Amino acid sequence: SQQGEEDPQALSIQEGENATMNCSYKTSINNLQWYRQNSGRGLVHLILIRSNEREKHSGRLRVTLDTSKKSSSLLITASRAADTASYFCATTPGTSYGKLTFGQGTILTVHP
Amino acid sequence: DADVTQTPRNRITKTGKRIMLECSQTKGHDRMYWYRQDPGLGLQLIYYSFDVKDINKGEISDGYSVSRQAQAKFSLSLESAIPNQTALYFCATSMAGRETQYFGPGTRLLVL
Repeated sequence: SQQGEEDPQALSIQEGENATMNCSYKTSINNLQWYRQNSGRGLVHLILIRSNEREKHSGRLRVTLDTSKKSSSLLITASRAADTASYFCATTPGTSYGKLTFGQGTILTVHP
Repeated sequence: DADVTQTPRNRITKTGKRIMLECSQTKGHDRMYWYRQDPGLGLQLIYYSFDVKDINKGEISDGYSVSRQAQAKFSLSLESAIPNQTALYFCATSMAGRETQYFGPGTRLLVL
């Protein structure tokens, strides 16, 4: 079963707009990661946030984590057509270091 | 990521055939993983290995087997392929003590 669930399943925006994707999970975690997948290709790691962190930035990416609500959000600011991809959250459950559980992903389409 | 390679990239086989998917890495990581991705879904863990002598089942290991021939090589076998094993298969690696995983380009498998 999938630990994480992304919302929305699909998001379509114009270039320059911000994109926000959400992830909810069910059990306690050590950390949460976000990955990007371009169509049919391997996943690429974007950012990791630990359970004792509330917010993290990397370039145009901003990730928040609310462990009380068991949820995370990924914000991509000033989106570009090249950001078009699927985005997945992945959690490391509290007792399972080294193993990731992936959500079903959000498909982001950025129109030029 | 060229540091993690998978062969073949595409494979068509028939029901009942035994096939092997291979993964090699030059990252020097101890840990290797095999995932399966079905259309529109996230990744599900098939098997993982934390070192050459350590092999563990993941969420969906039935119908699959693995071999860790060396630190750099991790192979996935389908003993008797069936159509519902048609999917995209990914190999990934990680360093012990680190949660970020690095993915290969994937193998697209079609079982007729």
